[in-house]
Amino acid sequence: DGGITQSPKYLFRKEGQNVTLSCEQNLNHDAMYWYRQDPGQGLRLIYYSQIVNDFQKGDIAEGYSVSREKKESFPLTVTSAQKNPTAFYLCASRAGTSRNNEQFFGPGTRLTVL
Amino acid sequence: GNSVTQMEGPVTLSEEAFLTINCTYTATGYPSLFWYVQYPGEGLQLLLKATKADDKGSNKGFEATYRKETTSFHLEKGSVQVSDSAVYFCALPSGSARQLTFGSGTQLTVLP
Repeated sequence: DGGITQSPKYLFRKEGQNVTLSCEQNLNHDAMYWYRQDPGQGLRLIYYSQIVNDFQKGDIAEGYSVSREKKESFPLTVTSAQKNPTAFYLCASRAGTSRNNEQFFGPGTRLTVL
Repeated sequence: GNSVTQMEGPVTLSEEAFLTINCTYTATGYPSLFWYVQYPGEGLQLLLKATKADDKGSNKGFEATYRKETTSFHLEKGSVQVSDSAVYFCALPSGSARQLTFGSGTQLTVLP
């Protein structure tokens, strides 16, 4: 079955530590996105990529970094510069450039700072 | 840029009650409109979508009609079930990469 996988499901980070969240898709989608979700709030865009080896900052990119070396993979690194990283992180992908295409979401990673 | 305003929650209903969750949007042109659902501890799933004015999206008993005149995309279901308890998000694409702009989400709890 095609879909998006994220790992790990739960992640704990110590102060000053960088952590990387994995996102893999086998849908052959060009565009991939990272969103952050805080309790009781909507999703906010961190980074997005429309093509391999290219990515753009979203609304809240500070303290995060990404790479897009393969079409299938779009890992997110939460750096020590991110002051409040505890949140639920969602990866999504979208096919092509049609305005009608919806985004498909992974199951999410819950990050907690200890 | 495009934006969406969603009815504040939480919403608590008894089983078989009628559900309406309001969503209004501001957009350039006529973008597709989406409703996503998030069950506890999970990612988002597409519930339904509409791609042009007057389109009605429907799925699992839920419906929403793309109203250009009132810039609305309200979600409705005639008879909710306990299993419909979840958070519902209205969304529309914006920007060159068609990233989604989401409403704040509406928590629905259905009691037996």
